[in-house]
Formats: sequence, structure tokens, C-alpha cells
Amino acid sequence: KAGVTQTPRYLIKTRGQQVTLSCSPISGHRSVSWYQQTPGQGLQFLFEYFSETQRNKGNFPGRFSGRQFSNSRSEMNVSTLELGDSALYLCASSEQGPGELFFGEGSRLTVL
Amino acid sequence: QQQVKQSPQSLIVQKGGISIINCAYENTAFDYFPWYQQFPGKGPALLIAIRPDVSEKKEGRFTISFNKSAKQFSLHIMDSQPGDSATYFCAANLGGNTPLVFGKGTRLSVIA
Repeated sequence: KAGVTQTPRYLIKTRGQQVTLSCSPISGHRSVSWYQQTPGQGLQFLFEYFSETQRNKGNFPGRFSGRQFSNSRSEMNVSTLELGDSALYLCASSEQGPGELFFGEGSRLTVL
Repeated sequence: QQQVKQSPQSLIVQKGGISIINCAYENTAFDYFPWYQQFPGKGPALLIAIRPDVSEKKEGRFTISFNKSAKQFSLHIMDSQPGDSATYFCAANLGGNTPLVFGKGTRLSVIA
């Protein structure tokens, strides 16, 4: 089975722009979670989608949003980018929910 | 609001030694405690996990010790090898479909 695939792997944006990140989960996995990883804060939970519905949401501002499609692929969007949004964004999939999470290699976002 | 506190931030261990990473949690309703291992440029991967009905779980050189009364759990890596050099994250959740809450991570370096 192919693993979790995230695109793009690297991107550079400027303040005020928006960005869309994509995640293709492992085949058969219906749950997709997104995490923000920074050196100072570790892994922080953004949101989780299951069967196209947002099931859990972390404590991030409304500029962070996501969605899941019928094939379980997921996207997250960050609008009005700020310098502090520079981070590695990790997507993880699982069969039903946050039991064993299978992570992708992440999308590294740099905001200038 | 950090619900899982991990220490130390970084750790240097001699090859063949024992690496010990500790985590403390606040919410007594947590009932699933996994450890994830992350190599540079890769996403985290599940290493070993425990539930609070047991005090210890061992898989190869990796052991989780769990102290429910102290609300602490730790990862022990026996006979540490240079290939174990990675960042380790403890995590916890409330069970069911609740999201995993991660500690801030420990960067382990095993030197020859």
C-alpha cells in the first residue's frame, strides 16, 4: 500500500497570501488529521475529518480551514498568512479515528 | 494549554546505554498513550503504545512504563544505537475518536 502523500513538499509564500495543502491518505483510511509542527511547540492538532465531516477541531484561528472529499483526500487552507504560520504541516490518516496515525512527510511552509 | 509535558528536550546517550524519556499528563481521563518516532525529513511513526490497565509494555528494546497514580509514563530504549537517533514524541487521548495530544518532543542523539 502506498503511504500518506502530501503535496507540495516545500513552498514559500509572503504575508497576506493564502495557501492550500493537499493530502492523499492510505487507501481505505477514512480519517484524516492535520497537525502543525514547529520547533518550539511540537505537534499541535489542527483538525480531523472523517467521511467528509469535520469531527474534531483544535485551537487555531478561523484562517485555518480544511475539507475532505468523497475519496478521503483532504486539503487544508490557510488564508491571510502570517510569519508565525511558518511550520511543517503534517497530515495523518487512520482507518477509523485517532488510534494508530500514519503520517505523511509533511509540507514545509515558509512565510516571508 | 499543554496537556502532556515531555522531558528532556534533548538527550545524548552513549551507544549501548539506556535512553529514558519522560511524560506527565494532567487529564486522568486519558486512556491511550502512544510514543511516536520521527527521523529528519520524515513524518512521525508509531513506535509503541500502552493503555492504563497495564504498568509496562515491552517491544524489543523499547519499553513503556506507566504510573497511573503519578500520571506519568516513560519510554526506555535499551542498548541504544546510533540508528535510534531521532525525535521522540509522547502523546495521549481520551479514547474513541478524540484527537491525540502530543508532547513537545525529545531529540535523542546516540553517539558511538
